[in-house]
Amino acid sequence: DADVTQTPRNRITKTGKRIMLECSQTKGHDRMYWYRQDPGLGLRLIYYSFDVKDINKGEISDGYSVSRQAQAKFSLSLESAIPNQTALYFCATSDYPGGAGANVLTFGAGSRLTVL
Amino acid sequence: AQSVTQLDSQVPVFEEAPVELRCNYSSSVSVYLFWYVQYPNQGLQLLLKYLSGSTLVKGINGFEAEFNKSQTSFHLRKPSVHISDTAEYFCAVSGSNDYKLSFGAGTTVTVRA
Repeated sequence: DADVTQTPRNRITKTGKRIMLECSQTKGHDRMYWYRQDPGLGLRLIYYSFDVKDINKGEISDGYSVSRQAQAKFSLSLESAIPNQTALYFCATSDYPGGAGANVLTFGAGSRLTVL
Repeated sequence: AQSVTQLDSQVPVFEEAPVELRCNYSSSVSVYLFWYVQYPNQGLQLLLKYLSGSTLVKGINGFEAEFNKSQTSFHLRKPSVHISDTAEYFCAVSGSNDYKLSFGAGTTVTVRA
């Protein structure tokens, strides 16, 4: 089994629908992230969570919400999907680095969302 | 805040030829630098990272990168590529006291026989 599992892998939906993308991890990491990938733009951070009680907005959080149901689970919701939210979404995790360590991310395989 | 510029969006290269992917960052503070690779239909995985110490960093699959503080660059190189190196490569930066990565736009490497 993958360390970071995303479901669904592919989803096609219509404008105005509510969509939830789910992420679960077996790494035992405290930190979890949702990124969005668009061609030519790289990855942009939507939300991140450092533990179950800690949720923070990233650089492009408008139109999205998240829920950290447990240390291992972090879901991303689009309350009312719109076409410009068509993208590849990645969940990632990292351990608290401490000291001179760095945040090294472990990524899921991605969830491709198409909003018609 | 840090930002990353990957100077080439597409790099076609023949098998067994060398390749260099260019990355420049902008930051006024100490940084950590990373290269991630994304193979088709997969998530990103870490190729290598620079935290401190030697400016030449070796990673997986024969890749290496050199940190150049004066030029604020972190270029990725491989002396001889294989077909299996066809992928998208992302440079990323974070502050040494920061929690998040800023990614470049990516460079698509296509290796041809």
